[in-house]
Amino acid sequence: EAGVVQSPRYKIIEKKQPVAFWCNPISGHNTLYWYRQNLGQGPELLIRYENEEAVDDSQLPKDRFSAERLKGVDSTLKIQPAELGDSAVYLCASSLGLAEARGEQYFGPGTRLTVT
Amino acid sequence: QQPVQSPQAVILREGEDAVINCSSSKALYSVHWYRQKHGEAPVFLMILLKGGEQKGHDKISASFNEKKQQSSLYLTASQLSYSGTYFCGTSGSSNTGKLIFGQGTTLQVKP
Repeated sequence: EAGVVQSPRYKIIEKKQPVAFWCNPISGHNTLYWYRQNLGQGPELLIRYENEEAVDDSQLPKDRFSAERLKGVDSTLKIQPAELGDSAVYLCASSLGLAEARGEQYFGPGTRLTVT
Repeated sequence: QQPVQSPQAVILREGEDAVINCSSSKALYSVHWYRQKHGEAPVFLMILLKGGEQKGHDKISASFNEKKQQSSLYLTASQLSYSGTYFCGTSGSSNTGKLIFGQGTTLQVKP
C-alpha cells in the first residue's frame, strides 16, 4: 500500500515569494492534516479536512496561508507571501476518519521549506 | 496545552532499557506515541485511550494513567533501530479533541 506522498521534498525561496505544497493521502483515508514542524519541536496542526471540508483551521495564519482539498483526495497548501519565519518542515498526514483522538495518523515525508 | 516530555534526550547502549514520560496539565482522553528518525516522517507506534490501559508492541510498551494525566513509553532491550525522536500527542476529548504534540525526546542507542 502506498503511503502519503508529498512534493516537493525541498524548497528554497526568497521572502515575499509564493510557495505551494502538494499532498496525496493514503487511498481511502477521509481525513487529511497539514502540520508545521519547526526544528526541534513536535508537529503543530495547521488545518484538518474531513473529505472536502476544512473542519479545523483555527491554527492556520489565514492572512498568508491557504489550503484546499478539491474532490476530497489531494490537497494543496499555499503560502503567499512567504516570510523568514515560515521556514520549517510541512507535514501532511491522513487517517481513516475516526475521531482524531482515537485514530492513528500516517505521515508523509514532509516538505522542508527554507525562506531566505 | 502542549504536553511536556521528559527526558529531553537519552543515550543508551544496545540492550539497555529506557522510559520516556509525557505529562499534561489537562485531563486526557488519549495519548498517541510516534517515532521520527532524522529527515523522515513520524511513524505511528500506539494509541492509549482513557481507561488506564497498557499496550505492548514487540519490546516497546506504554501505560496511561488518566488520573495523573500522564503516559510513559517503555523501551526494553534497546536496539540500534530504536534511535530517533519520540513524540507523544495528547487529546482531551473523544470526538473533538485536537491532537497536540510534545516537544519530543531524542533517543540515541549506541552499539
